[in-house]
Amino acid sequence: DAKTTQPPSMDCAEGRAANLPCNHSTISGNEYVYWYRQIHSQGPQYIIHGLKNNETNEMASLIITEDRKSSTLILPHATLRDTAVYYCIVRVATSGAGSYQLTFGKGTKLSVIP
Amino acid sequence: SQTIHQWPATLVQPVGSPLSLECTVEGTSNPNLYWYRQAAGRGLQLLFYSVGIGQISSEVPQNLSASRPQDRQFILSSKKLLLSDSGFYLCAWSLDRLDTQYFGPGTRLTVL
Repeated sequence: DAKTTQPPSMDCAEGRAANLPCNHSTISGNEYVYWYRQIHSQGPQYIIHGLKNNETNEMASLIITEDRKSSTLILPHATLRDTAVYYCIVRVATSGAGSYQLTFGKGTKLSVIP
Repeated sequence: SQTIHQWPATLVQPVGSPLSLECTVEGTSNPNLYWYRQAAGRGLQLLFYSVGIGQISSEVPQNLSASRPQDRQFILSSKKLLLSDSGFYLCAWSLDRLDTQYFGPGTRLTVL
């Protein structure tokens, strides 16, 4: 699976949009971009994933650049409960390749400030 | 909807004692099940995965073992704990190998 690069930390004011960037310049055409987050002392929580098109669900939006070398996770109205470490993962999507292992990097520690 | 449970939530055990951590999934059938360990300041390490009852694959040699006695039950065990077994143990499930993995709340194990 391709590696990802994320800023180690970010701050966001409560109620504002949090935009978390991720670089994955070596991504292959058959690899998805996944986002998880981990609140302190809890298990990782799945947020969203995408292949080429932008995606939106009840938690967040995922914007993937046209060349797929980077993406941005957007939390539209950050709350204090969104304070967590956010992980961007690139993972193979087609059968016949890839492992069961999810490889988390160091992620971005997002602090939502009142 | 599917839910995943782990217990206990926290555990403090002496070196050399046995271990049994349990994970159960509700709301799905024949899931892939996973045991991960997250050591302090480090990433996730896949320990075991299972694609069906009685089918266990180990990713790394270690002091631990896993079993899947029922379709939606996954157990992590050790006969004798080591100090290095301390960590945050996470169970996860997915519909198949390439599908999204969903994690349980975790068990924090401290071996003294």
